[in-house]
This record gives sequence, structure tokens and C-alpha cells, in this order.
Amino acid sequence: QVQLVQSGAEVKKPGASVKVSCKASGYTFSNYLITWVRQAPGQGLEWMGWISAYNGNTKYAQKLQGRVTMTTDTSTSTAYMELRSLRSDDTAVYYCARVSGSGATYYYYMDVWGKGTTVTVSS
Amino acid sequence: QSVLTQSPSASGTPGQRVTISCSGSSSNIGDNNIYWYQQLPGTAPKLLIYWNNQRPSGVPDRFSGSKSGTSASLAISGLRSEDEADYYCAAWDDSLSAWVFGGGTKLTVL
Repeated sequence: QVQLVQSGAEVKKPGASVKVSCKASGYTFSNYLITWVRQAPGQGLEWMGWISAYNGNTKYAQKLQGRVTMTTDTSTSTAYMELRSLRSDDTAVYYCARVSGSGATYYYYMDVWGKGTTVTVSS
Repeated sequence: QSVLTQSPSASGTPGQRVTISCSGSSSNIGDNNIYWYQQLPGTAPKLLIYWNNQRPSGVPDRFSGSKSGTSASLAISGLRSEDEADYYCAAWDDSLSAWVFGGGTKLTVL
């Protein structure tokens, strides 16, 4: 079955970086985008950006430009999200999700989600 | 503050029909498709409705979506205890060039 398996929880100090992985299985990895969404404790969902597993093209949320990098490794069907210069308000559960749909961007949607990776930023 | 506006809470009794609303603008809901996600306590979000009113396979037909102008609604009929969850609407925003979410509606089954 289609699934996304994420790496384990991380605890980081302010100013450090974190890299979260998302391993896909059950489908052709390079045929889809992977997107990242985060959720701060008790808060709603925040879109972070996406990456094409086909050609590596990325689109990041303006708020995170310059601090986030998304990459893929097609040999292992794994997507990565690195966030730098961590602050306390980056404490959140980070989800990866597969993006389905075609044509214009507004036809895209997140149809398969990973279980999430908790990132805690604390001194 | 979320770009899409949802009521923070909703409630109903088993068997009832409840509606969750989502309000936006011409740059998101008005011109683009709306999506709904269900997040059960302690779990990842799950796609409930795509392209305004389409259900993925496995989603019961008790769940239905609609859109009118810059607003959208998720209706749940025959409410069940397992429907108790947070529900989020989402859409692409042309002005922000980003996906935007509502703040979420916490549904309680009384």
C-alpha cells in the first residue's frame, strides 16, 4: 500500500538545524510532488512548500524562504526537509504528504500523509 | 490568523447532520478548488474531500462538500462518535502563491 514513513522525533537547540526524512513506498516516487506541512502544538496546519520528485523543482512558503531546503533522493524514494536557524516557534509536528492532481496548481491536493515528526526547539 | 476562516467549534448528536463552513476570498476559494481534511486526535490529517465535492475511495458518502462564491461547506450526515475530530479546509491562494488552510473546526459528538 502507499505509505510515507517519517524519521523519528528530534530535539534541537535554538540556532541549530534539523533534517527530517520521508520514505515513500507503494507507488512510483518520481511521478509525484512531496509537500511539507507543519502543526505547532494546539495550532492549525501551515504549508511549508513542495518539491517535485521528478526534477527537484521546489516552491517554498515565503515565510520560510532562506531557512528551508527540500530535497529528494530518487534512488531510495526519500524526501528530505531541512530547516535552519531554528527558533522556539519552529517547535511543531512536521508532516510530509504526497501531492496528487494535475494541470493547474489548484487541482493539486495532499492525498497520502506521513505520521509526522515532532521537532522540539528548546535551550 | 488563518487566511481561510472557520468556526472554532461545532457539535451534534449521533445521527444528526452537521455543517462546517469555510470562508475565504476571490484569490483562494473564489477561483480555486476547496479541499477538506479530517484530523482525528493524535493522528495525521486525512484527505476527506477534493475538488470541492469529490470523495476519495474509502470515505463514506455521509461526508459531502460544496462551494458557493468565496465560501465552502462540509456536511456530515448520520453523525457518528468516530467523526469527532478537527476538520480543516484548504485551497490554493493565487495572491500568496501558496496553499492556505483554515484554522480548523473541532467537531464534538455529544
